[in-house]
Amino acid sequence: GIQVEQSPPDLILQEGANSTLRCNFSDSVNNLQWFHQNPWGQLINLFYIPSGTKQNGRLSATTVATERYSLLYISSSQTTDSGVYFCAVLNEKLTFGTGTRLTIIP
Amino acid sequence: SQTIHQWPATLVQPVGSPLSLECTVEGTSNPNLYWYRQAAGRGLQLLFYSVGIGQISSEVPQNLSASRPQDRQFILSSKKLLLSDSGFYLCAWSAGANSPLHFGNGTRLTVT
Repeated sequence: GIQVEQSPPDLILQEGANSTLRCNFSDSVNNLQWFHQNPWGQLINLFYIPSGTKQNGRLSATTVATERYSLLYISSSQTTDSGVYFCAVLNEKLTFGTGTRLTIIP
Repeated sequence: SQTIHQWPATLVQPVGSPLSLECTVEGTSNPNLYWYRQAAGRGLQLLFYSVGIGQISSEVPQNLSASRPQDRQFILSSKKLLLSDSGFYLCAWSAGANSPLHFGNGTRLTVT
């Protein structure tokens, strides 16, 4: 089956810093989603982005489907950005990456 | 707008007891429904999915079962819980196979 790798696995940043999270996948995909899991376990949709670039406030995402990767950018980090970020890709079925744990220090 | 409800939020059950977790979706019809489990804070594992009433596909054989008695209701069950069933269970829905996935708030199950 398709392999989905996220990097880095862990990231600790000072409040106000910018970050880039990466999602690599091993085969062509029909769609890709980014999620944020907050410390209470809630999984929140960030982007549905099979290709191209989208922006939502301080967050933006870019998927280059032909090169099989997606990037999630977080600018001016806030403590509420802490949590685990997952990408999930749809090939034959939806497969989740292992996540990036982001910790924002005040 | 569509909403997904999942309950209870937390549950502590003894080994060997039954389990029933319920998930309902509002504001849409004929959704695809999913049950995921997450252990140790990472890695979501798909347990079951359903594309219609009475249609259940199992991804991983285990001590759990799922049912869809109504269009927007999805139930996860077990007759006898094992310690290894502990985890965070998440229900999700989508409008179709290529549509975004939306999650409920999850149920944290501890089997003692």
